[in-house]
Amino acid sequence: ETGVTQTPRHLVMGMTNKKSLKCEQHLGHNAMYWYKQSAKKPLELMFVYSLEERVENNSVPSRFSPECPNSSHLFLHLHTLQPEDSALYLCASSQKGAGGGGLAGITYNEQFFGPGTRLTVL
Amino acid sequence: AQTVTQSQPEMSVQEAETVTLSCTYDTSESNYYLFWYKQPPSRQMILVIRQEAYKQQNATENRFSVNFQKAAKSFSLKISDSQLGDTAMYFCAFMAGRRSNYQLIWGAGTKLIIKP
Repeated sequence: ETGVTQTPRHLVMGMTNKKSLKCEQHLGHNAMYWYKQSAKKPLELMFVYSLEERVENNSVPSRFSPECPNSSHLFLHLHTLQPEDSALYLCASSQKGAGGGGLAGITYNEQFFGPGTRLTVL
Repeated sequence: AQTVTQSQPEMSVQEAETVTLSCTYDTSESNYYLFWYKQPPSRQMILVIRQEAYKQQNATENRFSVNFQKAAKSFSLKISDSQLGDTAMYFCAFMAGRRSNYQLIWGAGTKLIIKP
């Protein structure tokens, strides 16, 4: 496997189900991200894990729970979702810190994306 | 607030034509990066091109080039000699600030269709 992989690619679940999305990166990166992609809307950053630090978007409901057991794996645990949570969930990774060039006070680190999980909540 | 606006929800051109996708952004930062990402149907998002705000010269990657107008806060993408494989969603994104290694600010995307 190369790059960033995500499983499952498609998921249909009821509002009372509990499921998990998995992401794995094979790039040696130390930062991983979850995004929500809805049609005709900008990508929404949900969570970031970077060097054991977690950053979250305060607008993300608590029914989404991330887990990052190590720098290569990222999970998104789902429970009691709503139909409006149906979307494409993208995982990405990057290398935090030096590397990739940068300006004073800013670091550029290209994010590499997985293929996404298409989630449908009935 | 930092925002990115892509005013063209969808565009369609014939193969081999040149097409320009528009993007404007709003920020008070002076140092930042701008990106164009491509998301082909059912395939992964990939970086097409990036531009550092402090550089005057417009970035170019093969058939892809940008027109970066810093004062106007405009960052358009030009695709020359378009090919069928260029059919995709194109997203403009912006990165700035001390937490820049975390957060990209994204536009809503432009769906580009290349017709044979």
